[in-house]
Amino acid sequence: QKEVEQDPGPLSVPEGAIVSLNCTYSNSAFQYFMWYRQYSRKGPELLMYTYSSGNKEDGRFTAQVDKSSKYISLFIRDSQPSDSATYLCAITGFQKLVFGTGTRLLVSP
Amino acid sequence: DSGVTQTPKHLITATGQRVTLRCSPRSGDLSVYWYQQSLDQGLQFLIHYYNGEERAKGNILERFSAQQFPDLHSELNLSSLELGDSALYFCASSVEGASTDTQYFGPGTRLTVL
Repeated sequence: QKEVEQDPGPLSVPEGAIVSLNCTYSNSAFQYFMWYRQYSRKGPELLMYTYSSGNKEDGRFTAQVDKSSKYISLFIRDSQPSDSATYLCAITGFQKLVFGTGTRLLVSP
Repeated sequence: DSGVTQTPKHLITATGQRVTLRCSPRSGDLSVYWYQQSLDQGLQFLIHYYNGEERAKGNILERFSAQQFPDLHSELNLSSLELGDSALYFCASSVEGASTDTQYFGPGTRLTVL
């Protein structure tokens, strides 16, 4: 079983839609949860970071963590074509950072 | 621009050959991480160096090796290359080396093995 599972997509939505991206993880020892965004032909960049269960909001982005279910989500409100990218969840703890395979998101105008 | 630089951008080589990828971390960052990204495997952690010393190893093959120099730049050496080594290789850096540190990624080196 992979430590982090993420649906690879692609996920295609129209501009303005609410997007939900999800990951599940297997090891309850993981404590910190991140979302990275990767544009085509670029390196990943940190989008959001949280360490507790619940929601964290930053503009149009909301990260949600449910430690009891080992489930994390990233919501994007009012999605824009510029949000088209691959979104990778990353989970860390005990000197180890594990990435999901990434979900490719396409937002059409 | 993350401040992390990687050279070369692209590398095309043949099976059995040896190549060296280079990474310069952000100014002030002591940790360097190497990752391999392929379509079917996603982003795989290879190795982490902190201030010149190996800190952690991931899924790094024995044919691969890395080092971090006194000026903190790092090199990833890939030898006896196989077709399956074709991938994007990313370097990332962080201030210290805690797993909670934000890692800043370079633009990557695209390796093609023919």
